[in-house]
Amino acid sequence: KAGVTQTPRYLIKTRGQQVTLSCSPISGHRSVSWYQQTPGQGLQFLFEYFSETQRNKGNFPGRFSGRQFSNSRSEMNVSTLELGDSALYLCASSLGDSSTGELFFGEGSRLTVL
Amino acid sequence: SQQGEEDPQALSIQEGENATMNCSYKTSINNLQWYRQNSGRGLVHLILIRSNEREKHSGRLRVTLDTSKKSSSLLITASRAADTASYFCVEGGGFKTIFGAGTRLFVKA
Repeated sequence: KAGVTQTPRYLIKTRGQQVTLSCSPISGHRSVSWYQQTPGQGLQFLFEYFSETQRNKGNFPGRFSGRQFSNSRSEMNVSTLELGDSALYLCASSLGDSSTGELFFGEGSRLTVL
Repeated sequence: SQQGEEDPQALSIQEGENATMNCSYKTSINNLQWYRQNSGRGLVHLILIRSNEREKHSGRLRVTLDTSKKSSSLLITASRAADTASYFCVEGGGFKTIFGAGTRLFVKA
């Protein structure tokens, strides 16, 4: 079956702009998590959505937001971009069932803010 | 879900040698998982070991779990250049999985 698909793979924005990233989970998975990865901070948890509801949230400013649609696809948005938002953004899907817990990652969207 | 702490931070070995990475965690777990990340790519799930298991094998991977010491180790035998990657351990749960800094493994050909 198809894996987790993230689009776009690469994008360049300038400070002050906003960006929307998309994540299509594995069919049947209801949970989508988002992570930001930078050389300095490592992998940081942004938020997790399950059945269209944000279930968990990391410690990021309100400029970072997300949503999940009824087909489990998820988008994250970053407004008023800053240079420090340059990062690899990863999404991961899972069944959302705590008895399993395995995460399946996409290849990421690499954002560069100039 | 909780973060695991990997040790060492970095490891450099020759191809063919074994690589051992360690993981410590703080509270009781249901299971512990190991992931691999090749540079700039997404993470790949390697192996899951449940709290009632002590050892598990998958190909060239061997994972041990010591719940009394709250620690786990990942052994990669007969390493290959393609094993060069970062390795992370996490407690499973999928709801709010927090990753540590990982161990960066470099396998020299």
